[in-house]
Amino acid sequence: SQQGEEDPQALSIQEGENATMNCSYKTSINNLQWYRQNSGRGLVHLILIRSNEREKHSGRLRVTLDTSKKSSSLLITASRAADTASYFCATDYLTSGGYQKVTFGTGTKLQVIP
Amino acid sequence: EPEVTQTPSHQVTQMGQEVILRCVPISNHLYFYWYRQILGQKVEFLVSFYNNEISEKSEIFDDQFSVERPDGSNFTLKIRSTKLEDSAMYFCASSEPTYVTRTDTQYFGPGTRLTVL
Repeated sequence: SQQGEEDPQALSIQEGENATMNCSYKTSINNLQWYRQNSGRGLVHLILIRSNEREKHSGRLRVTLDTSKKSSSLLITASRAADTASYFCATDYLTSGGYQKVTFGTGTKLQVIP
Repeated sequence: EPEVTQTPSHQVTQMGQEVILRCVPISNHLYFYWYRQILGQKVEFLVSFYNNEISEKSEIFDDQFSVERPDGSNFTLKIRSTKLEDSAMYFCASSEPTYVTRTDTQYFGPGTRLTVL
């Protein structure tokens, strides 16, 4: 089953606008994290939200988590051209062996037009 | 700020050859991971490693793959006989447990792009 489905798959906005990306997942989680990836580059950790948290802020980023709906959203306010990248949510849970397992979503490709 | 490093950044190899991808995790981290991302697809978990042994592995991580921590700093992924479909970006990650059985943010390296010809 798919764990971590982002929507939209692609988003194109004008610089200065807000960008909202959503992530849904299927199983219970420990934490949910958002990562950013510039084309062909590595993953940059943006923010982690724990299962007992509902909202978290970091600079221009705002993440919400609704465990009852098994969904999260990432809001980037006042977007900049440099925000152009793919954004992935990653859910993690503890396995029966007590180890963390992380599953990535399919990603949202954000384009911010100057 | 400490970071995970990976070498090489790009590896080109012939099908059937062995490759070793290298990672230097963040020094006080205890959990280590490998992921791969086929071009245009999502990041997939391969394996996690703790206390000098594999703790979890995915169905992708078959007998062609192995991991090792040969010394106190390096963490390697070996592909014994590469196939065309092994072409992907391979990411190493490490994390520091917040308490005994719980781990936290995984910090990723910049990745190694493997191209199998």
